[in-house]
Amino acid sequence: QKEVEQNSGPLSVPEGAIASLNCTYSDRGSQSFFWYRQYSGKSPELIMSIYSNGDKEDGRFTAQLNKASQYVSLLIRDSQPSDSATYLCAVILTGGGNKLTFGTGTQLKVEL
Amino acid sequence: GAVVSQHPSRVICKSGTSVKIECRSLDFQATTMFWYRQFPKQSLMLMATSNEGSKATYEQGVEKDKFLINHASLTLSTLTVTSAHPEDSSFYICSAGRGGGDEQFFGPGTRLTVL
Repeated sequence: QKEVEQNSGPLSVPEGAIASLNCTYSDRGSQSFFWYRQYSGKSPELIMSIYSNGDKEDGRFTAQLNKASQYVSLLIRDSQPSDSATYLCAVILTGGGNKLTFGTGTQLKVEL
Repeated sequence: GAVVSQHPSRVICKSGTSVKIECRSLDFQATTMFWYRQFPKQSLMLMATSNEGSKATYEQGVEKDKFLINHASLTLSTLTVTSAHPEDSSFYICSAGRGGGDEQFFGPGTRLTVL
């Protein structure tokens, strides 16, 4: 089992819809979770961090964390073509210091 | 805040030469910086953790004598790819964390092509 798993996609949603991106992790003791956006040929950009169970909202983005079920998700409301990118889930594993362990990413395509 | 720069953004070199990549935190001090490598259509792979004033910690399978890391100040870390070969061609990205937090901010990356 991979430490951080994401569906590679592509996930296609129409413009204006809600995009839902999911991530599961294997280490039950993990406490820090991050979502990054990566455009093709560019480096990752931090969207949001989440540490507590529940929802965390920032603009059109909402991160959801459920430690009991070991998943973290990212919702993008009112999706725009500019949101088309690969979304990377990252987790700091127990005993990993500050090292991020990344999932393989989910490619999101927002269609006009 | 939390801006990280890298230089150069793109480099092409001949096989057997060495290439140095700089990573700077522009508006904060970074005790720890991280170096990643990303091959096409793959996710980021951590190569090493760079700590200011001490030796870097390398991930399993990464040759420390080939990928030399120096973190001489709280705002600068360098990665030198020694005796580069075509298989070292990749996208090299650094990240840095601000003191007191575990969020990492990435530099724009350096695309290395070894001919």
